[in-house]
Amino acid sequence: EAGVVQSPRYKIIEKKQPVAFWCNPISGHNTLYWYLQNLGQGPELLIRYENEEAVDDSQLPKDRFSAERLKGVDSTLKIQPAELGDSAVYLCASSAGTGTQETQYFGPGTRLLVL
Amino acid sequence: KQEVTQIPAALSVPEGENLVLNCSFTDSAIYNLQWFRQDPGKGLTSLLLIQSSQREQTSGRLNASLDKSSGRSTLYIAASQPGDSATYLCAVYTGGFKTIFGAGTRLFVKA
Repeated sequence: EAGVVQSPRYKIIEKKQPVAFWCNPISGHNTLYWYLQNLGQGPELLIRYENEEAVDDSQLPKDRFSAERLKGVDSTLKIQPAELGDSAVYLCASSAGTGTQETQYFGPGTRLLVL
Repeated sequence: KQEVTQIPAALSVPEGENLVLNCSFTDSAIYNLQWFRQDPGKGLTSLLLIQSSQREQTSGRLNASLDKSSGRSTLYIAASQPGDSATYLCAVYTGGFKTIFGAGTRLFVKA
């Protein structure tokens, strides 16, 4: 069974440029998460999808970040324009649901460097 | 606001040693607690999940305990091996379907 796929794995851009990250969750997983992980810290939730609906985007900086999951499968996270402080690892995870016994499966992440 | 703290931040041990990683959380109203492993440049892998009604879970050389009332969990690793070198993160699952992570403990097992 294929795991969570993310691309690109690495991205270097100049500040003020746009950038997009793509995630394909495990087949059949309805719940998809985007996390931000700064160096030496644990992941912090940006947005959670149930199928195509964003049910928790309270931590997403909506002035510059946007996300979509149009068909309830793969998802794209966009930053426009990027700032120096956006340099971090962006992790995507998926789960079969949100029950207390469900675990999240993480992709390898996209490491973003903003110059 | 739920906060998760992990101590120590880093740990170096010789191969074969038994070790304990600590995790504490400020709000005992959790549904479960998970321990994850993260290797450099990779995502997180779930190791153990303890439901709020459980006291411990075991998988191979790993044993995780949960004392919800005191807001503490420990991950015990027996007979450590160099392949156990990684960052270990604990996370609590709270109301509103939120998972709150600690900053992790970086473990290095010397051969």
